[in-house]
Amino acid sequence: AQSVTQLDSQVPVFEEAPVELRCNYSSSVSVYLFWYVQYPNQGLQLLLKYLSGSTLVKGINGFEAEFNKSQTSFHLRKPSVHISDTAEYFCAVKMSNQGGKLIFGQGTELSVKP
Amino acid sequence: DAGVIQSPRHEVTEMGQEVTLRCKPISGHNSLFWYRQTMMRGLELLIYFNNNVPIDDSGMPEDRFSAKMPNASFSTLKIQPSEPRDSAVYFCASSFATGNYGYTFGSGTRLTVV
Repeated sequence: AQSVTQLDSQVPVFEEAPVELRCNYSSSVSVYLFWYVQYPNQGLQLLLKYLSGSTLVKGINGFEAEFNKSQTSFHLRKPSVHISDTAEYFCAVKMSNQGGKLIFGQGTELSVKP
Repeated sequence: DAGVIQSPRHEVTEMGQEVTLRCKPISGHNSLFWYRQTMMRGLELLIYFNNNVPIDDSGMPEDRFSAKMPNASFSTLKIQPSEPRDSAVYFCASSFATGNYGYTFGSGTRLTVV
C-alpha cells in the first residue's frame, strides 16, 4: 500500500535558524510529490511540487525540497525561518496510476520562536 | 477568481440532525475532492469527482455520509444523521483532472456535533 510518513509531528526552532521537515513515502509506481502549508484556521496552500526533472525544487516563501528516489524522501528545507512560517506543513503524494488522488502525511507543526 | 468557496464556515448542530456542507470549486477545474481533518486521523480523503462523476468514495466512513455534484460549479456533502464523532473540519478542494497542478483548497467548514 502506498503511504506518506512525516517523521516529526512537531519541530520547534528559533527565528533565523535553518529548518528541515522530513517526509518519506512508499510506492511501487512513480510518484508526484507536493508540500502544502496550513496556517491557523485556514485551508491548505501549495508550497511547491516535484513532477519530474531537477530533483531540487523551489517554492514560495523561500522554501525548497529535494526529491531523493533512492531514499524515497522529499524533505522540505528553509535556510532561515521567520516567525510568520509558524504553521502546519503537509507532505503529499500522487501516484502516477491513481488519477488525481493525493495522499497526505500526518503533518508537521513548525513553531518558530523569537 | 475567488478560489474554492465553502459554506458555512462554522456549523454547530445537535446529534441526529442532518448537516449539509457546500462547495463551489474554481471555474474550469474538473476534479473536486472532499477531505476531513481531525487531530486523531489527520487529513482523510472522503470522496472525489472527475467531471461531476464520483470516482472514488472508499473514504466515506459510512452510509450516513453522502456527496453529490449536480453540476461543475457545485457540490454538497451531507451527513444524516450526524453524530458527535463527525465533528471535524471538512475541506473541499478542486483541480484540473489532467496534469499535476496540485489542489486549491477552500477555507473549510468546522463542524461541531453536540
